[in-house]
Amino acid sequence: DSGVTQTPKHLITATGQRVTLRCSPRSGDLSVYWYQQSLDQGLQFLIHYYNGEERAKGNILERFSAQQFPDLHSELNLSSLELGDSALYFCASSEEHGTGIGDSPLHFGNGTRLTVT
Amino acid sequence: DQQVKQNSPSLSVQEGRISILNCDYTNSMFDYFLWYKKYPAEGPTFLISISSIKDKNEDGRFTVFLNKSAKHLSLHIVPSQPGDSAVYFCAAIQTGANNLFFGTGTRLTVIP
Repeated sequence: DSGVTQTPKHLITATGQRVTLRCSPRSGDLSVYWYQQSLDQGLQFLIHYYNGEERAKGNILERFSAQQFPDLHSELNLSSLELGDSALYFCASSEEHGTGIGDSPLHFGNGTRLTVT
Repeated sequence: DQQVKQNSPSLSVQEGRISILNCDYTNSMFDYFLWYKKYPAEGPTFLISISSIKDKNEDGRFTVFLNKSAKHLSLHIVPSQPGDSAVYFCAAIQTGANNLFFGTGTRLTVIP
């Protein structure tokens, strides 16, 4: 158990809809990262928050947004969903502002599987 | 553009033998490399890492080798055990950056 909790585990929705994925980081971790894993793809970095502030953006679509709340949990909002948005979405946390290297590895949740029909 | 590549989607090895998983990268600015292991229905878990100032790092049955000139790294598992059966992701980063670049993964099956 990594200590990172993601809900829901599975989500099935229709094109055009909006969904919210939730992540609770490990206790004490200030950094939260979101990754997307599409079929046969590696994990693609979406966005990084540190202690409530956005620190970096990766290949995140404008239809997607995220935030980190004062209690450090994070939400990833996906809107105007398309079939191609179907993927596994992982949240990861780490202690430091760093990116999971050295003494601060990334701890991943079990992911949310999103299916857009 | 896939900056980290794992060209073998799958690998099967007999229990007790050596498993060698390969990874190539294109960005010469990467200076830290990691391997993650993923079981079905779980998130990736950190396995082992190596800094670019080293060419080898060992942790028990797991050894990572780095060849900077070839932009290539490999993960050796000796001896392989059935519990090692999982998907292995290679990842790379430039120190100070915020983005870990992952490969597409190699599914290792260790046959008892």
